[in-house]
Amino acid sequence: QKEVEQNSGPLSVPEGAIASLNCTYSDRGSQSFFWYRQYSGKSPELIMSIYSNGDKEDGRFTAQLNKASQYVSLLIRDSQPSDSATYLCAVNEDNYGQNFVFGPGTRLSVLP
Amino acid sequence: GAVVSQHPSWVICKSGTSVKIECRSLDFQATTMFWYRQFPKQSLMLMATSNEGSKATYEQGVEKDKFLINHASLTLSTLTVTSAHPEDSSFYICSASGTNQETQYFGPGTRLLVL
Repeated sequence: QKEVEQNSGPLSVPEGAIASLNCTYSDRGSQSFFWYRQYSGKSPELIMSIYSNGDKEDGRFTAQLNKASQYVSLLIRDSQPSDSATYLCAVNEDNYGQNFVFGPGTRLSVLP
Repeated sequence: GAVVSQHPSWVICKSGTSVKIECRSLDFQATTMFWYRQFPKQSLMLMATSNEGSKATYEQGVEKDKFLINHASLTLSTLTVTSAHPEDSSFYICSASGTNQETQYFGPGTRLLVL
């Protein structure tokens, strides 16, 4: 069974620090990788996607992918209290949004 | 782009009644729609996947006769919770994916409370 694993947290970081969120996946054939943010009581929203090994930066967010290690991470620089949320890692085994597997999510708390 | 809406956002009903939730893709054609359920402080749980014009595929443990899914057009899917009971109270979220879209886009969710 295909699995995506994340530490459930909570991960607490002080305001201004770097938050590092990690995700591992079991299906070596996975093609695309996504990070969603879910605020309490709200639905998930897509914040980052990554398809090839290496880093991808978007503002304060950097996604990192290492397919050999089956590992994907999300770095949040200059963390703000508004970044406090649950972050879901999602892995797709093809290039269409059909065969998704979501991780259980990591709860991040940014302390002022 | 890639906006998904859900209606209603909140519903309160009596035990034994049926509730219909609509999920619409507003600016793209959703060839596949997904229905999730999330209980407080728990992970998303995929209930079913539906392709336009086909019967939905339900996840193990999800009663297809209780959770009726219809995906009759490329922009609309509905989830009907039949004979709802208090244990069906949850946050129901749909997502949609279109042709050549690599990911799913989520609706805002529907909070169901069964009294």
